[in-house]
Amino acid sequence: KNEVEQSPQNLTAQEGEFITINCSYSVGISALHWLQQHPGGGIVSLFMLSSGKKKHGRLIATINIQEKHSSLHITASHPRDSAVYICAVGQNTDKLIFGTGTRLQVFP
Amino acid sequence: DTEVTQTPKHLVMGMTNKKSLKCEQHMGHRAMYWYKQKAKKPPELMFVYSYEKLSINESVPSRFSPECPNSSLLNLHLHALQPEDSALYLCASRNSGSRETQYFGPGTRLLVL
Repeated sequence: KNEVEQSPQNLTAQEGEFITINCSYSVGISALHWLQQHPGGGIVSLFMLSSGKKKHGRLIATINIQEKHSSLHITASHPRDSAVYICAVGQNTDKLIFGTGTRLQVFP
Repeated sequence: DTEVTQTPKHLVMGMTNKKSLKCEQHMGHRAMYWYKQKAKKPPELMFVYSYEKLSINESVPSRFSPECPNSSLLNLHLHALQPEDSALYLCASRNSGSRETQYFGPGTRLLVL
């Protein structure tokens, strides 16, 4: 079993829909990261969380430390949101443990 | 400046060639990373430099040789690669402290023929 699990693996949505991507982890963490990768592209860091909730534009990330679970929400989704979203956790070391990613496609 | 730059963007090399990938950041970050990413997979950590010293080598074959000439620059020297080494090579950096965000570069897409 992976230490960081994401669901769903693949997600399709119509433009305007509310989207939720989930991340569960089984190890102690110092921080959780949500990353975005467009096809063939580099990775952009969206959020880093150690507690609570963060919001940036149409993106909201939450984390529940007790339940070892985080969610990434996208409101009013748009085709440009189509990308792979990766959850990664840090453990007071230089390394990140990556989830396998959620591939999102938003259709107009 | 919150950017990590990587050159070249694309690289095609034969199995007998020697080439180098370059990564640069001017954010004053003291940790720099090399990752390898195969298609539809998450990045795999290769090397970490902390304060210009190699701190992590994830049992990477010696045909990959990292170098950190100064705190802003990270190189990955490639020699005698195999076709299975074809991948996207990502560089990242972050400030010291495990709760700091990693900033990723755009990657170098490498094809080994």
